[in-house]
Amino acid sequence: AQSVTQLGSHVSVSEGALVLLRCNYSSSVPPYLFWYVQYPNQGLQLLLKYTTGATLVKGINGFEAEFKKSETSFHLTKPSAHMSDAAEYFCAVSDTTGGFKTIFGAGTRLFVKA
Amino acid sequence: NAGVMQNPRHLVRRRGQEARLRCSPMKGHSHVYWYRQLPEEGLKFMVYLQKENIIDESGMPKERFSAEFPKEGPSILRIQQVVRGDSAAYFCASSQGGTDTQYFGPGTRLTVL
Repeated sequence: AQSVTQLGSHVSVSEGALVLLRCNYSSSVPPYLFWYVQYPNQGLQLLLKYTTGATLVKGINGFEAEFKKSETSFHLTKPSAHMSDAAEYFCAVSDTTGGFKTIFGAGTRLFVKA
Repeated sequence: NAGVMQNPRHLVRRRGQEARLRCSPMKGHSHVYWYRQLPEEGLKFMVYLQKENIIDESGMPKERFSAEFPKEGPSILRIQQVVRGDSAAYFCASSQGGTDTQYFGPGTRLTVL
């Protein structure tokens, strides 16, 4: 069975500061890993994904994440926060063996202070 | 993700009524997924469908809930005899293939009075 744990339901940073959102996963098979962003009353938008290959994945809006198998982590980072980054962020894992069911974490709400 | 259409965006039902949620996948996508998001929670997988087939319904409640994706037309998530606990946001996603990235619609927010 697969699962995702996002550490911290709320994270607050100042504008211009580093953003770090933590995600740990559990999977008995090689995982596909994702980060999605959700703005209020909207659907989810894919930020980035890891399937195979390079473990450092770059996404949209300046975000990146690193797959660390030894730590079973896939933390999301951005060097400099912008006010428009304020949103809910979801880490997700899926099964590469087919039946592409995606398991989502509970989400981390990011607040950006001026 | 603007290509995945869901309607209605908001739906209000009284207890015991039926709710029908529709999802039109992106053009060229033949795989559809339904998720439910309760307040302050992440998305929970409900069901995965291809045209005319249910592939995985392990997340669907055993009673009152059903889903279909007919050969023509949108995918439908149907909830019979709704209860207050069904109040949630229901999201549909589509993908080109079963291992491809899922693109999400804007969701339908169901409120049961």
